[in-house]
Amino acid sequence: EDKVVQSPLSLVVHEGDTVTLNCSYEVTNFRSLLWYKQEKKAPTFLFMLTSSGIEKKSGRLSSILDKKELFSILNITATQTGDSAVYLCAVEAGTYFGNEKLTFGTGTRLTIIP
Amino acid sequence: DVKVTQSSRYLVKRTGEKVFLECVQDMDHENMFWYRQDPGLGLRLIYFSYDVKMKEKGDIPEGYSVSREKKERFSLILESASTNQTSMYLCASSSPYRVNTEAFFGQGTRLTVV
Repeated sequence: EDKVVQSPLSLVVHEGDTVTLNCSYEVTNFRSLLWYKQEKKAPTFLFMLTSSGIEKKSGRLSSILDKKELFSILNITATQTGDSAVYLCAVEAGTYFGNEKLTFGTGTRLTIIP
Repeated sequence: DVKVTQSSRYLVKRTGEKVFLECVQDMDHENMFWYRQDPGLGLRLIYFSYDVKMKEKGDIPEGYSVSREKKERFSLILESASTNQTSMYLCASSSPYRVNTEAFFGQGTRLTVV
């Protein structure tokens, strides 16, 4: 059974701090790893990672994948209160185009204190 | 922009009722998914479909069925609702044939079974 584990489960930091969120996985037929941000509504897409060692950046957020050690990290620098959310990691797996499915971790709840 | 629309934001149903949750996407995506989200358990896949009239069980299909008669519409059916099916239900769609294959989510349906 495919498994995705995120840590920590929750994190409380002060505005301006840097945080690192972790995601490890065990899946068969790995295709990609995705990060989503979820506030009070549906998850919104942040990053998709398919190759090891290549950092993806978007403003203060960045993420990298290690396919040998089977994990990814999501970094947020200079955190702001608007970063408060649940961050979900998902792994896409499938043997051929059309049968991919996403397995999600339980999420990390990040709270930023002003 | 991709739009995934779920027919209801909030539903309250009685135990034993048959419940239909509807999801429509307007991006001609081949894949559609139904998840439920519960505190501490994250997003769990109920069913997915990669083509019209095709369906596959996810991780927790018991008590649910699905219907995909048209490409844009994926329905989740609770044959006889039970209180343990009280949850947030999220529909998603994706395409395996595009550059960005991440899943796009609807706004969710919060179902309460009393």
